[in-house]
Amino acid sequence: EDKVVQSPLSLVVHEGDTVTLNCSYEVTNFRSLLWYKQEKKAPTFLFMLTSSGIEKKSGRLSSILDKKELFSILNITATQTGDSAIYLCEASGSARQLTFGSGTQLTVLP
Amino acid sequence: ETGVTQSPTHLIKTRGQQVTLRCSSQSGHNTVSWYQQALGQGPQFIFQYYREEENGRGNFPPRFSGLQFPNYSSELNVNALELDDSALYLCASSLEWESANEQFFGPGTRLTVL
Repeated sequence: EDKVVQSPLSLVVHEGDTVTLNCSYEVTNFRSLLWYKQEKKAPTFLFMLTSSGIEKKSGRLSSILDKKELFSILNITATQTGDSAIYLCEASGSARQLTFGSGTQLTVLP
Repeated sequence: ETGVTQSPTHLIKTRGQQVTLRCSSQSGHNTVSWYQQALGQGPQFIFQYYREEENGRGNFPPRFSGLQFPNYSSELNVNALELDDSALYLCASSLEWESANEQFFGPGTRLTVL
C-alpha cells in the first residue's frame, strides 16, 4: 500500500525564521510528488517534482526531491504570518492512486 | 480561484441517508479526483475518473460511487451514510492523468452526518 509521511505534524515559529518541512514516500512506480498549501478549504498548488536533485523555487519557498532516499523537503525562508497554513504533500504512482500525507500545520507568530 | 466549483457548500444528513455531491471541473480537464478530508487529517483519495470511466480507486467501500459527464462535471454519491462520513469532500481536476500534472481543487463540500 502506498504511503506518505510528513513531519513534523505541527510547527510554531516566529516571523523571519526559516522552516524545513519533510515528506517521505513509499509509492509503487513513483511518478511525481506535489506540495500544496491549505489555508481554509481548497489546497492550492505550490510545486510539482518529478526529477531528483532539481530545486524548484518560488519566492521564499523552495523544494527538492530525492528519489534515491524517497523524500522531499519544502523550505520557507523569512517566514511571514501569511505562511500559516497546513502544508500537504501528495505522491502519485502508476497504481492510479494519489496519496496525501497528513500534513504539517505551520503557525507563524508575529 | 481555480475555476473548479463544488455544490453544495454545506450539507447535513442523517445516518442511513444517501447524498450526491457535485463538482464542475476546469474546461478541458478530463480527469477528476475526489478526496475525503477529515478534520486534522490530509485528504484521502476516494477515486479518479478519466473520460467518464473510473480510473483508480482508494480504500473506500462500494457505497462510495461516482459519475463523470462529458461537460466536465462529476458527482460523488454516498449511500447508507455513517457518522464517520462527516468530512470535507474535495474534488480536483487535471489534464491527462498519464502525465504528472498539477491538480486544481474546488472549495469543497462540508458534509455533516447526524
